[in-house]
Amino acid sequence: DIQVTQSPSSLSASVGERVTITCRASQSIPIYLNWYQHKPGKAPKLLIYDGSKLQSGVPSRFSGSASGTEVTLTISSLQPEDCGTYFCQQSYSTPLTFGGGTTVEI
Amino acid sequence: QVRLVQSGAEVKKPGASVKVSCKVSGYSLSKFSIHWVRHVPGKGLEWVGGFDPKNGETIFGQNFQGRVTMTGNKSTDTWYMDLTSLRSEDTAVYYCATDRAGLAAVSGWLLTFEFWGQGSLVTVSS
Repeated sequence: DIQVTQSPSSLSASVGERVTITCRASQSIPIYLNWYQHKPGKAPKLLIYDGSKLQSGVPSRFSGSASGTEVTLTISSLQPEDCGTYFCQQSYSTPLTFGGGTTVEI
Repeated sequence: QVRLVQSGAEVKKPGASVKVSCKVSGYSLSKFSIHWVRHVPGKGLEWVGGFDPKNGETIFGQNFQGRVTMTGNKSTDTWYMDLTSLRSEDTAVYYCATDRAGLAAVSGWLLTFEFWGQGSLVTVSS
C-alpha cells in the first residue's frame, strides 16, 4: 500500500498570509495526489487534482505543485473562510489512502 | 449540477448490519462510478471502496473486503453501501463521492473524489 505523510498536522495563520501544506508519498507518484478541504459538518470538497490542476469553481488562491515524491498545497492569501482541515489523497493505486490531515486556523 | 443526498443517522448494535443510501440528482446514476469514504471521529479519512454501476465492478479498501457490499438502483438513481458484522470501530461518518471519471467522460476509474454527499453518521454501540 502507498503511505501518504502530511505535514504539518495543524497551523495557525493570519488573514492574508501565505500557507503551505506538504504531502509525501512512499513511492514517486507526484501527479497522482489530490487535495480536499473538509469543514465540520460539511461534505469534503475537491480543491486540486493530479497534483496541480485546480478543480472548477475553486478560488485561484489555491494552487498545487509537485516535485519528486512531494506535493504542496499553497493558499496564497489566507481568507477567513479557508479554516478547516485539508487532506491529500493518492489516486495512483488501490487501496486509496489519505494523509493524516492539516487543521488550518485563522 | 451534481447533488448527492444521503440517508440519515443510524444507531446499530455490534454484529448488526447497516445500509446507507446515496441518491444522485442532476445526472443519471449510470454516469458515475461511486466511492464510499468514512471519517472516524478524531481520525482521518479512510476509503471503504468503489462501485461502477455500468459493469458492476467493485474495488475495496484494505479492511472491508468481505464485509461491504456496494450496489446501485438505476430506476431511483440511488447507490447503496451495506456494511455487515459491525463493531465499535466502525462508528464514523460515511460519505459517498463520485469518481472524477464521470464528468471527465473517460472509461474506468480516475480514483479521485469529485462530488460528495453530506455524510451519514453510523454509531455502533451496545
